[in-house]
Amino acid sequence: GAVVSQHPSRVICKSGTSVKIECRSLDFQATTMFWYRQFPKQSLMLMATSNEGSKATYEQGVEKDKFLINHASLTLSTLTVTSAHPEDSSFYICSANAIGGYTEAFFGQGTRLTVV
Amino acid sequence: GEDVEQSLFLSVREGDSSVINCTYTDSSSTYLYWYKQEPGAGLQLLTYIFSNMDMKQDQRLTVLLNKKDKHLSLRIADTQTGDSAIYFCAETLSSNTGKLIFGQGTTLQVKP
Repeated sequence: GAVVSQHPSRVICKSGTSVKIECRSLDFQATTMFWYRQFPKQSLMLMATSNEGSKATYEQGVEKDKFLINHASLTLSTLTVTSAHPEDSSFYICSANAIGGYTEAFFGQGTRLTVV
Repeated sequence: GEDVEQSLFLSVREGDSSVINCTYTDSSSTYLYWYKQEPGAGLQLLTYIFSNMDMKQDQRLTVLLNKKDKHLSLRIADTQTGDSAIYFCAETLSSNTGKLIFGQGTTLQVKP
């Protein structure tokens, strides 16, 4: 099946620094990717929809200046957490749907971000 | 708005069947999914069902959909210790089939 690779899988950073998370579709093209956030023992909350070649669409309550999303190609979307604070510590997961296919969203392995 | 609800915890003995339930509110759901998440890992798609289907079976997994009651269930036959994980149901809406709305997840504990 299709593979979505997310990198890094785990990152620890200092407060005030920025962290970039990459989401790549390895064997298919994706015009749309999705970024989710998961708090411990909670469900996944959609943060934003990443659109190739255009601006991301953010869900209500998500700060677009804090969570910068760039979808520069049909196989890569990046999420940058800017000026990270401890409350940004979370598990971030991306997903992608193949072009023309919408029955299955393929998920990355997730990134565990810890801000100290 | 869209809402997906699941019970939070289920404990079964190895070899028994597990049934995980889910309810949703949006009648325009097109696809309904079951995902499995093991500790510290991403989501693995187990199965999905189109909203015009009542049942889907795939090896040990059986999905039942009651569209009238907006109720979805996942039955795992002959549950094994390796099935211990968190199970999420999710729906996509007719307006945007790529965006998933997730339930809170059901933690399945399988006792030997």
